[in-house]
Order: sequence, then structure tokens, then C-alpha cells
Amino acid sequence: DVKVTQSSRYLVKRTGEKVFLECVQDMDHENMFWYRQDPGLGLRLIYFSYDVKMKEKGDIPEGYSVSREKKERFSLILESASTNQTSMYLCASFRASDTQYFGPGTRLTVL
Amino acid sequence: RKEVEQDPGPFNVPEGATVAFNCTYSNSASQSFFWYRQDCRKEPKLLMSVYSSGNEDGRFTAQLNRASQYISLLIRDSKLSDSATYLCVVNYGQNFVFGPGTRLSVLP
Repeated sequence: DVKVTQSSRYLVKRTGEKVFLECVQDMDHENMFWYRQDPGLGLRLIYFSYDVKMKEKGDIPEGYSVSREKKERFSLILESASTNQTSMYLCASFRASDTQYFGPGTRLTVL
Repeated sequence: RKEVEQDPGPFNVPEGATVAFNCTYSNSASQSFFWYRQDCRKEPKLLMSVYSSGNEDGRFTAQLNRASQYISLLIRDSKLSDSATYLCVVNYGQNFVFGPGTRLSVLP
């Protein structure tokens, strides 16, 4: 069974704080993704990575950065959190010829 | 036009009903197709892949029509536990494009 874990289920931060969201997968998948999900807007891709130290911008990368130093770990960084980044953040991983598997999500509130 | 479109929903159906979800996609280069299920405040989980020949898993049947760029999901004998949002997902290469989802409520 693929397992994707995320560091926190719920997180509350203040405007301007630096926020780290961690994602770890245990199936040696090459590809990892960060999405955010908001009511009425569905899942939107922030960044993805197809290999260690590689990253590609998704549809809404502004205000975010990512880090992939090890194959199993993909971090999402909010350099200076803002209230419009309050959302559910979902990490996913996949290997070619398979589908995506999601972590449980982190519900982030920025006050 | 959005890349993946689904019935807007919500669908409210009685237990035991048959319900059909429709999905269309715009990118003809799409290679793989899936239905995911997402419960309230949870992550999406794979329900089933969709193959050109059609495939069935118990009460669930998925169909793909590549010529029409159309995907469907049929749920027979719906249960209360089927209440969720159903997401149509289209893949090409490393790209996964999610539809907005259709919410289903199965009522007692």
C-alpha cells in the first residue's frame, strides 16, 4: 500500500510567518505534487517535482516555493503567509503507469 | 472552456437508486482516466481507473469514449456510504487534471 504522510493535519499561523509543510511518501515514487483545495475552486496545482532537486511550477505558484532534497520528501514553503493562503493543502505522489496517491491533507489557517 | 468538466450537482438520491455521473475532457492527448472519491474534509482516494473497454467493480461501472472525450461512472443500488464528492481525473504524462467534482448525497 502506498503511504503518503503530511506533517500536520491542522495548522494555525499568523500573517507574515514562514510556514513549512512536509510530505513524505514510502513507495519510491519519482513524482510528487502539492495542491491546494478551496470550496468552489477544486484542486489547483501549486508545484510538482519529477525528481530530486527538480521542480516545476503548477497553475498557482505565486507566494509558494518548494524543496526536494530527498526522493521521499517534498516540502512546500510559504515564505510570508497571507490570509488568502488559508486553505486545505494536499500532497500527492505517483509513478509512471500508475495514478496519484494523496496524503491526508493539512488544513492551514492564516490569521 | 475548462479542461475537465463534470455535472454540477449536487445529486440527492434515495437509497437503492442508480446514479450516473458524466465527465468531459478537452485534451485529446489524455492518456489515462480515473474516478476518485472524496469524503468531506478528507483527501481524494482512487475509486477506479477507466478503460476504453469499460470496467466494472461491484456496483460501480466506468466507461470511456475517446472519440467523444467523455467518461462516465454509474453507481447501482446506492448506499448511504456512497455519499461523497466524485472527481473525474484525466492524466497525460506527469499532468493530472481534476474536474471540479460532483457531490452525491444518498438519502435514507
